[in-house]
Amino acid sequence: KNEVEQSPQNLTAQEGEFITINCSYSVGISALHWLQQHPGGGIVSLFMLSSGKKKHGRLIATINIQEKHSSLHITASHPRDSAVYICAVSADSWGKLQFGAGTQVVVTP
Amino acid sequence: NAGVTQTPKFRILKIGQSMTLQCTQDMNHNYMYWYRQDPGMGLKLIYYSVGAGITDKGEVPNGYNVSRSTTEDFPLRLELAAPSQTSVYFCASSYIQPGLAGWGGTDTQYFGPGTRLTVL
Repeated sequence: KNEVEQSPQNLTAQEGEFITINCSYSVGISALHWLQQHPGGGIVSLFMLSSGKKKHGRLIATINIQEKHSSLHITASHPRDSAVYICAVSADSWGKLQFGAGTQVVVTP
Repeated sequence: NAGVTQTPKFRILKIGQSMTLQCTQDMNHNYMYWYRQDPGMGLKLIYYSVGAGITDKGEVPNGYNVSRSTTEDFPLRLELAAPSQTSVYFCASSYIQPGLAGWGGTDTQYFGPGTRLTVL
């Protein structure tokens, strides 16, 4: 069983809609990461958080340590937000990450 | 800064051949990682390094070897390629404060563009 579960696996939204992606984990962590994988395959880090909430542009990430749950929100979605969003947790030493399977997001005009 | 660079971008190998995937970072990061990504699966850690001369196994190390002779370079060696090694390989690097890593220290990982490997 994967220790990091994401939902939904796939999501299609119309431009302008509010999008939420969820991540649940079953281990104690020092931090949770949200990553974006572009259609061309490149991976970039969006957020690293260990408590509360972070915002960058139209992206908001929240985490509830007690409930072992994080959400990534995209406000006013745009077709350029189409990508795979990956949740990963740092549950071990040496910076090692455990990854969810990813959520494929498609935003249509 | 170029960040993390990987070569080659694509490669097709025959069963039993060997090859080295190159990874270089110019950010003076102490930690480097190799991951593989299979369709529909999350990334899995193959090997990692905490500094020059120090490497350790990750979750799926069988069939691979690594070395880290310099801070900048972290090559991944595939010996006797098998179809199960068909995957996309990503190298990543990070800076973690010395002394914190063993206590759950973590920081943003910077990923290379990936190498798509097919073994036929």
